[in-house]
Amino acid sequence: EAQVTQNPRYLITVTGKKLTVTCSQNMNHEYMSWYRQDPGLGLRQIYYSMNVEVTDKGDVPEGYKVSRKEKRNFPLILESPSPNQTSLYFCASSILGGRRGYTFGSGTRLTVV
Amino acid sequence: KQEVTQIPAALSVPEGENLVLNCSFTDSAIYNLQWFRQDPGKGLTSLLLIQSSQREQTSGRLNASLDKSSGRSTLYIAASQPGDSATYLCAVRETSGSRLTFGEGTQLTVNP
Repeated sequence: EAQVTQNPRYLITVTGKKLTVTCSQNMNHEYMSWYRQDPGLGLRQIYYSMNVEVTDKGDVPEGYKVSRKEKRNFPLILESPSPNQTSLYFCASSILGGRRGYTFGSGTRLTVV
Repeated sequence: KQEVTQIPAALSVPEGENLVLNCSFTDSAIYNLQWFRQDPGKGLTSLLLIQSSQREQTSGRLNASLDKSSGRSTLYIAASQPGDSATYLCAVRETSGSRLTFGEGTQLTVNP
């Protein structure tokens, strides 16, 4: 089944403790992206990648890092999480031409205390 | 900067009604537009994708139209059912490689 898989689905952590949210897709998509969703603010892009070793900032990149060492994986790294990073996070992927639209993962609910 | 607006923010209808959800965007130079459904606390499920050269797309009881020149899209849901209750999100893609810009969604409740 074609899908984007995120792990974990739920995570509670403490301020300052480094964490990684994994994202993997099995559709050979070039384009991958991370979004966060917050009440009243909607979905906002954090980082995106147009291919292996090519990443760029989205609208809200502060406090996050990403890497794209393999085509299928695009992990989101929070080096020193803070409470304002408590949010629902989504990974998404698409072919670069975009004619088939985006596929989203099921989301990761992160709480930073 | 592209801005996407969805009206209404919330909608409650009785089962069986036909309804229209609206989406507007400020920059008409889009690549495509995608409608998603989101159930509470869950991921986004793609419903319909309309390329910039298309006027509409249909899937079952859903029909989405696109008027790029006026910066508008509508999602028509026929014969609504309680299972249609969810938040519906509209998103535009400005170039073939760019991000999606989302509206804040319309929260739909269909009452039995």
